[in-house]
Amino acid sequence: DIVMTQSPDSLAVSLGERATINCRSSQSVLYSSNNKNYLAWYQQKPGQPPKLLIYWASSRESGVPDRFSGSGSGTDFTLTISSLQAEDVAVYYCQQYYRGPWTFGQGTRVDFK
Amino acid sequence: QVQLQESGPGLVKPSQTLSLTCNVSGGSISSGGYYWSWIRQHPGKGLEWIGYIYHSGSTYYNPSLRSRVTMTVDTTENQFSLKLTSATAADTAVYYCVRDGSAAGTAFDIWGQGTMVTVSS
Repeated sequence: DIVMTQSPDSLAVSLGERATINCRSSQSVLYSSNNKNYLAWYQQKPGQPPKLLIYWASSRESGVPDRFSGSGSGTDFTLTISSLQAEDVAVYYCQQYYRGPWTFGQGTRVDFK
Repeated sequence: QVQLQESGPGLVKPSQTLSLTCNVSGGSISSGGYYWSWIRQHPGKGLEWIGYIYHSGSTYYNPSLRSRVTMTVDTTENQFSLKLTSATAADTAVYYCVRDGSAAGTAFDIWGQGTMVTVSS
């Protein structure tokens, strides 16, 4: 299985400040034939299902605010919230869909400082 | 737009079979291009992918659960189902049905609200 490791486990950010979450995969999730990284990011708020934010490592899902961005390639990825808003307090997960079984990171909790 | 809704018993006795169904509305399972997955989340924990089924009936299960999992699809009813045999307390979780766009590159783009299943006598 491809193991996904996120860091940190939690972080506290002031309103309007930048939040950065890292995700590392145990093997590359870059598909050479199309140069796409099969890496997604999700946001989960309490009592709700996860919501897709980013796919292909950097493509924003329709309707997702542009303060959310994804970057990275191969085995190292980053989700950035450029200016934290109140509604962004949540747990964030990365996930690989390069090779089955699909696997998730352990999650990163983002709170206000 | 496509919506998914899980249904099934909220309480299952140990050693019995956990059975859930996901009804798909706003789109046809048979239209292709997507897998249909089940994902679970243990209380206060992370996400575990259980497996997927395609509209043709082909499946791929997580090896960690493969011996106990069966997924089926009913294209006439536009729904798909999960059976997990020999349930134990470790299967207590919120179960989500999810549209799986992995083949197209769009990952898990639509989720059901989830249903809590408790395994207890």
